[in-house]
Amino acid sequence: EPEVTQTPSHQVTQMGQEVILRCVPISNHLYFYWYRQILGQKVEFLVSFYNNEISEKSEIFDDQFSVERPDGSNFTLKIRSTKLEDSAMYFCASSGRRTQPSGTEAFFGQGTRLTVV
Amino acid sequence: GEDVEQSLFLSVREGDSSVINCTYTDSSSTYLYWYKQEPGAGLQLLTYIFSNMDMKQDQRLTVLLNKKDKHLSLRIADTQTGDSAIYFCADRMDSSYKLIFGSGTRLLVRP
Repeated sequence: EPEVTQTPSHQVTQMGQEVILRCVPISNHLYFYWYRQILGQKVEFLVSFYNNEISEKSEIFDDQFSVERPDGSNFTLKIRSTKLEDSAMYFCASSGRRTQPSGTEAFFGQGTRLTVV
Repeated sequence: GEDVEQSLFLSVREGDSSVINCTYTDSSSTYLYWYKQEPGAGLQLLTYIFSNMDMKQDQRLTVLLNKKDKHLSLRIADTQTGDSAIYFCADRMDSSYKLIFGSGTRLLVRP
């Protein structure tokens, strides 16, 4: 069964460093998302991406964050200068097959645990 | 803004039915979802229901939607120890593809 894959599973970085979290969405999906879950808190929406541009973003997704689909298969989240409060589990998701563009079902990856020290 | 609330914890005996409840605030929710998260794993889509339906059944899972009260429930029949996990309710509004998640309900199944 197709799945969303994320790498790495765990990343430790020093405060102020840049990190790139990588995701390979399900092939032929059209919509891509990043969510995060700070320990003990709700899963929060960060950004959605469609047709090579951001379609929606939350207040959390400030200038420190950016997303890219560099090669037609990967979908990345970059945090330019990490802060302690960026420590969280980051989930990538994708939805919407070419035959069903409504994107009803969103499938999530296993997550990348980011620890900022 | 929109909000989704769930009770935090539910404990049931193996073989019993489990009912996990969720309330949401947004009248324009179009789809409502249930995701399962096992320890150390990602979010697994279990099922979803369109807002013009009031019930959906999928094997051991039954979703009930009361749109008037903005109440969603997930019933798991014949609960097994492998069902122990955190269950998240999420909604999606008509104008958006983003999901708004509840805090999750931790289901513990006792042998």
